[in-house]
Amino acid sequence: EAQVTQNPRYLITVTGKKLTVTCSQNMNHEYMSWYRQDPGLGLRQIYYSMNVEVTDKGDVPEGYKVSRKEKRNFPLILESPSPNQTSLYFCASSFLSGHSMGANVLTFGAGSRLTVL
Amino acid sequence: GDSVTQMEGPVTLSEEAFLTINCTYTATGYPSLFWYVQYPGEGLQLLLKATKADDKGSNKGFEATYRKETTSFHLEKGSVQVSDSAVYFCALSASYSGAGSYQLTFGKGTKLSVIP
Repeated sequence: EAQVTQNPRYLITVTGKKLTVTCSQNMNHEYMSWYRQDPGLGLRQIYYSMNVEVTDKGDVPEGYKVSRKEKRNFPLILESPSPNQTSLYFCASSFLSGHSMGANVLTFGAGSRLTVL
Repeated sequence: GDSVTQMEGPVTLSEEAFLTINCTYTATGYPSLFWYVQYPGEGLQLLLKATKADDKGSNKGFEATYRKETTSFHLEKGSVQVSDSAVYFCALSASYSGAGSYQLTFGKGTKLSVIP
């Protein structure tokens, strides 16, 4: 089954304790992205990657890191989590088409709910 | 920059009522437009899309028409069901080339609750 898998789905942690949220897709997609969803703010992009070893900042990258060493994986790293990073996180992926996503469609993971105390 | 504005929720409707969720956008060039749906406890999934002006996207009884003259992409359904209860997101992807051309810009989402 074509899917984007995120782990963990739920996590409660404390301020300053490094954590990684994994994301893996089995569709051979070039493009991968991380979003956070907060009430009243919708989805905001954290980081994205257009291919292996190519990553770039989204709208809210502060406090996050990513890496893209393999095409299928795109982990999100919080080096020193803070309470304002409490949120629902989504990973998504898609094929690229020329210079625009155009008709391409994002496939989303089921989400990772993170609470930082 | 590009932006998407959709009607604030929550929206509560009775089963079989008519649904409209308004969405307008601001973008450079000729964006593609999307509606995504998020059912409780799940990730977003594509509901429908339109890639050029006057295109109509449709799926599961939902429709939306790409109106360039009014920069709108309103979502409609003639008769909603309890199973349509979800959060609906309008989104656009820019069509110009460059670093930003692969990005989706989302609206803030509209929560729909359908009661029996």
